[in-house]
Amino acid sequence: EPEVTQTPSHQVTQMGQEVILRCVPISNHLYFYWYRQILGQKVEFLVSFYNNEISEKSEIFDDQFSVERPDGSNFTLKIRSTKLEDSAMYFCASRRGGRTFFGQGTRLTVV
Amino acid sequence: AQSVSQHNHHVILSEAASLELGCNYSYGGTVNLFWYVQYPGQHLQLLLKYFSGDPLVKGIKGFEAEFIKSKFSFNLRKPSVQWSDTAEYFCAAAWAGFQKLVFGTGTRLLVSP
Repeated sequence: EPEVTQTPSHQVTQMGQEVILRCVPISNHLYFYWYRQILGQKVEFLVSFYNNEISEKSEIFDDQFSVERPDGSNFTLKIRSTKLEDSAMYFCASRRGGRTFFGQGTRLTVV
Repeated sequence: AQSVSQHNHHVILSEAASLELGCNYSYGGTVNLFWYVQYPGQHLQLLLKYFSGDPLVKGIKGFEAEFIKSKFSFNLRKPSVQWSDTAEYFCAAAWAGFQKLVFGTGTRLLVSP
């Protein structure tokens, strides 16, 4: 079965630092997403990306966040200046048709 | 705002017991419904989905779910659970246009041998 790949699996960063979370979606998929799950809470939608632009974003996805697909394969989420409350599991997902595939997640810990 | 509710946060069952996990979604027109499972240390995996047609949907690993439109529900069932079903189960919905998924809070299932 095809897979969405995320790196790194765990990232520890100091508050105020920039982090980039990387994802390789499934190659023939057209829609890409980032979700996050704060420990003990529900999985929350952050942003969707289609045709090289953001198609929808949540209230969480403020100016500190950005996404890009620089080379047609990688799909990255950047947090410019991390805050303690950004600590969460971040899931990348891709979709073609009716099925969304999720990556294994990157656990981000902000200290 | 569209939402998904899961009523059971933690469920503990013995092997061979029957399972039913509740899920309700808010009204918002045409809806697509999903159950995902997350085994310890692994990523979210799709168990089953409902788009249209037969409201009783069968998924992988013996799971099924029933879409009851009048109750805005999509409960997950399994007649006989196994220890390997220990995981967290998430109900999710996507409304018209099928963009983002909205997830419930999840139900942590522990099956004791």
